[in-house]
Formats: sequence, C-alpha cells, structure tokens
Amino acid sequence: GDSVTQMEGPVTLSEEAFLTINCTYTATGYPSLFWYVQYPGEGLQLLLKATKADDKGSNKGFEATYRKETTSFHLEKGSVQVSDSAVYFCALSELAAGNKLTFGGGTRVLVKP
Amino acid sequence: EAGVTQFPSHSVIEKGQTVTLRCDPISGHDNLYWYRRVMGKEIKFLLHFVKESKQDESGMPNNRFLAERTGGTYSTLKVQPAELEDSGVYFCASSQDIGSAQKTQYFGPGTRLLVL
Repeated sequence: GDSVTQMEGPVTLSEEAFLTINCTYTATGYPSLFWYVQYPGEGLQLLLKATKADDKGSNKGFEATYRKETTSFHLEKGSVQVSDSAVYFCALSELAAGNKLTFGGGTRVLVKP
Repeated sequence: EAGVTQFPSHSVIEKGQTVTLRCDPISGHDNLYWYRRVMGKEIKFLLHFVKESKQDESGMPNNRFLAERTGGTYSTLKVQPAELEDSGVYFCASSQDIGSAQKTQYFGPGTRLLVL
C-alpha cells in the first residue's frame, strides 16, 4: 500500500535559518502530494501541493518540488520565522483511492528568536 | 464561509463508556473524511463518505466504531465501548466533488479523546 516517510523531529532552528524537511513516498499509482501544517492549538491547514511530476508547490515562502524519479517531495524555506513553529505533515492521495490522504509521521519545527 | 467544525474539542471518558464525536463539513462539500492520530503516530484514515453513503471504510479499526452521515450533512463517529487505545485526536475533513481533479481537503480542529 501507499506510505509516506518524513524526517523525525523535533527540528530546532534560529530565526532566518534555512529549513529542509525531507519526505519520500511509495505509491501504487500516480499520487498528488501535499504538505499540511498544524500550528499550536489549531487544526491542519494545507500549506502547498503538487499534482504531477516536476510541479513546484509554494506558499508563505515554503516550496516543494514533486520528484518522481526520487519519489520525494522535500519542503524548504529559505528564512524561517518564529511564527513558522508548527508540526509539518507530508501526505499523498490518489484519485483511484477516493482521495484519502496517507500521512507521514509529522515533523515538529521550533524556531527560536 | 464557515470552515469544518468539530464537537467536542476535548472529551475525557472512562474505559467502557460511549462517546460520540460530531463533524460539520463546509456547506456544499459532498466528501467527508474521518482520520485519527493516536499518540505519537501517523494520522490514519478511518473512512470516507460521499454524501450519505460510505465510500470507503477500510480504515475503521473494529466494530466498536460506527460512523453515520445523516442526510449527507453532518457526520457522527461513535465509539462504543471505548478502550484505552482509542485515545488520540480525531480529525474530520471535507472536500467538494472529486470529479477528475484532486480536490483539497479542509480539516477541522480535531477532537482530542482521552480514555482512562
């Protein structure tokens, strides 16, 4: 079945540092890929997505590129802020499976001033 | 436009009791999904409704869990009787018609369930 693996946290950074969270996947078909974020005390929010190979999703300074050859969807941000402290989830879905999401384990990111 | 809402936000019950969680999707969203995150583990799919019909309930852990979606609007997830391993955060999400495109799922804030 489908699965998503992402780096374990917590990841602790200083403000303005570069952030990378690795995410790799296995899928039976051709999935869409997502990054969701959960800020403290809030629900899951879609951060960005990509639906086909080589697509780049971007939002709020975050980027991730759909790499089919390496089955990866790594999340990056060039200069993090304290407000980026959250838990980040990589996920995939397949239309043939009713679009149910398969999540990675989540990576907690803490940005210190 | 109101987002996905869930009730209650927290629930603490004793083993053997019954708990019912409610989810109100975004108006007009035919697809409704339930997920849960057990302590320290991945968020796992439970089931998927299209309107009032169960499209996929392959993620339901056992027959102690019963989900309904009356009239294709709000949904309830009942756990009866609750066990310790049912503790976790239960998320609901909704999306528009699937059609031929991958539709974004919008999540509620979750219900944090603790079974003692």
